[in-house]
Amino acid sequence: AQSVAQPEDQVNVAEGNPLTVKCTYSVSGNPYLFWYVQYPNRGLQFLLKYITGDNLVKGSYGFEAEFNKSQTSFHLKKPSALVSDSALYFCAVRDAVLLIWGAGTKLIIKP
Amino acid sequence: DAGVIQSPRHEVTEMGQEVTLRCKPISGHDYLFWYRQTMMRGLELLIYFNNNVPIDDSGMPEDRFSAKMPNASFSTLKIQPSEPRDSAVYFCASSFTLAQYNEQFFGPGTRLTVL
Repeated sequence: AQSVAQPEDQVNVAEGNPLTVKCTYSVSGNPYLFWYVQYPNRGLQFLLKYITGDNLVKGSYGFEAEFNKSQTSFHLKKPSALVSDSALYFCAVRDAVLLIWGAGTKLIIKP
Repeated sequence: DAGVIQSPRHEVTEMGQEVTLRCKPISGHDYLFWYRQTMMRGLELLIYFNNNVPIDDSGMPEDRFSAKMPNASFSTLKIQPSEPRDSAVYFCASSFTLAQYNEQFFGPGTRLTVL
């Protein structure tokens, strides 16, 4: 069965520093991977996705994610964090017809 | 497009009462999903529809929960009777065909509190 893991419950980063939110996956076949963000009291918003092609995927709000097949990872990154990036981030993998969600990682950016 | 619309945004009710949550998907989307989010269990898929037909309701926790989609622009999730453990944020999401590359679009959620 497909699965996705977000090993960190929370990540703390100082404003202006680079950030990484980790995600690893387990799939049979080609992986279709997604990142979503949830701001407080809001629904989940799509950030980016990997389907095929370039291993570095660029998304909304300056975020990007690097697909690494050998390490079965799809880490979310941003070169310079903003306080406004503080939110809950979800990684997901497509399983036939549905999305399998990670538990979420709370990202806190400190001024 | 206004995106996925959910109502009400907040609902406070007493145990035993009936609760109805409403969702309007994005026009043209043919898949609709109901999720529940809690601190303890994270994001859980309750049920999903394709072209107004329920496809998989295995995530519905109990018979107290029911969902309908009478037409392409409206769906309801009903809890009867409600219990305190049903307190959660309920999200509706929609997508256009279930191709593997299509993302889901979420509504703002309904925060349900059962006293």
